[in-house]
Amino acid sequence: RKEVEQDPGPFNVPEGATVAFNCTYSNSASQSFFWYRQDCRKEPKLLMSVYSSGNEDGRFTAQLNRASQYISLLIRDSKLSDSATYLCVVSFRGGYKLSFGAGTTVTVRA
Amino acid sequence: GAVVSQHPSRVICKSGTSVKIECRSLDFQATTMFWYRQFPKQSLMLMATSNEGSKATYEQGVEKDKFLINHASLTLSTLTVTSAHPEDSSFYICSAPRQGEQFFGPGTRLTVL
Repeated sequence: RKEVEQDPGPFNVPEGATVAFNCTYSNSASQSFFWYRQDCRKEPKLLMSVYSSGNEDGRFTAQLNRASQYISLLIRDSKLSDSATYLCVVSFRGGYKLSFGAGTTVTVRA
Repeated sequence: GAVVSQHPSRVICKSGTSVKIECRSLDFQATTMFWYRQFPKQSLMLMATSNEGSKATYEQGVEKDKFLINHASLTLSTLTVTSAHPEDSSFYICSAPRQGEQFFGPGTRLTVL
């Protein structure tokens, strides 16, 4: 079983729509959670950390469910520039070693 | 601006040759850096942890004699793919932590013919 699993998508949504997707992780001892964004053939960039109480950053909302071991990301009022692959990332030791999901591809169309 | 650089960004080589990839932290020191590999449509897979002043720590299944890592200074780690083969063709990315956040280099796309 993969350490971090994501629905690969793609999610094709019109501008202005809301899109949401999850990822699951297998190690219950995981300590830190992140969503990264990766554009085609580029390096990943941190979108947001995910906190136990859930957190919001502008149009992006992240939730963590430790009991069910999943993380979600919701994008409101989608923009064309939101088109990317979103990587769910988990740190198992609270340090800098990260485990990545394969990514969920989102395409926002005009 | 970029906080981690990688060089080269793209390399094409013949099978059997060795390829060196550099990862530099810009304007900050990194005693630890990480090397990842990403195949198309797959997740980034951690290959090894590069430690300044000591040996690298390799993940299970990664051959340390094939992927040589040298953390030469507090701002430079190098990954050398020795005797590269077509199956080593991939996107190699390094990262360095800074103030609690991981910063990734722009990646090196290796194609072995």
